[in-house]
Amino acid sequence: GAVVSQHPSWVICKSGTSVKIECRSLDFQATTMFWYRQFPKQSLMLMATSNEGSKATYEQGVEKDKFLINHASLTLSTLTVTSAHPEDSSFYICSATGTGRLEAFFGQGTRLTVV
Amino acid sequence: TQLLEQSPQFLSIQEGENLTVYCNSSSVFSSLQWYRQEPGEGPVLLVTVVTGGEVKKLKRLTFQFGDARKDSSLHITAAQPGDTGLYLCAGGSNYKLTFGKGTLLTVNP
Repeated sequence: GAVVSQHPSWVICKSGTSVKIECRSLDFQATTMFWYRQFPKQSLMLMATSNEGSKATYEQGVEKDKFLINHASLTLSTLTVTSAHPEDSSFYICSATGTGRLEAFFGQGTRLTVV
Repeated sequence: TQLLEQSPQFLSIQEGENLTVYCNSSSVFSSLQWYRQEPGEGPVLLVTVVTGGEVKKLKRLTFQFGDARKDSSLHITAAQPGDTGLYLCAGGSNYKLTFGKGTLLTVNP
């Protein structure tokens, strides 16, 4: 399968600061990337869908000003959690797919802890 | 909004037992994927099914896609502790995946 790399694997930040998470497709052109949030022992909750070169489409209830998504190239998308608060602590996962692909491939996830 | 209902939500069995996990929807999907996720990691793709009635086998795992492409099942034979994890089904249309809530499987030695 295709390789998607997510960085960092874990991050601890102070309340009020911003954190950037990167998602890279290493061996294919990711025309579409997805960002998910996952709480312990629960499934993935889609936050937003981003197409390369376009503004991200956010799911209902997700604050676009708080979770900034950039997909400026076919191999990189970033999620920036702005003015992070403890309730933003979670496991964030990206996935990527490309033209002609049925499946999406996932990054390893990022454990964000806001203290 | 497309929804996928996955059952059971939790399953705890002994090593050597068989089990089946179900994924149902009222919507038709162009493809359906099964993923397995271990704690602290991203989901790993197990299989993709695209044709109604399709059956795929992956060692002790058997995946079936319903004739109407609205449902799927995952059957594990002779489960092993290494099969422990969160099993997720996902339906795809236009590259957007809709995930079920997952089945958390624990196989006890």
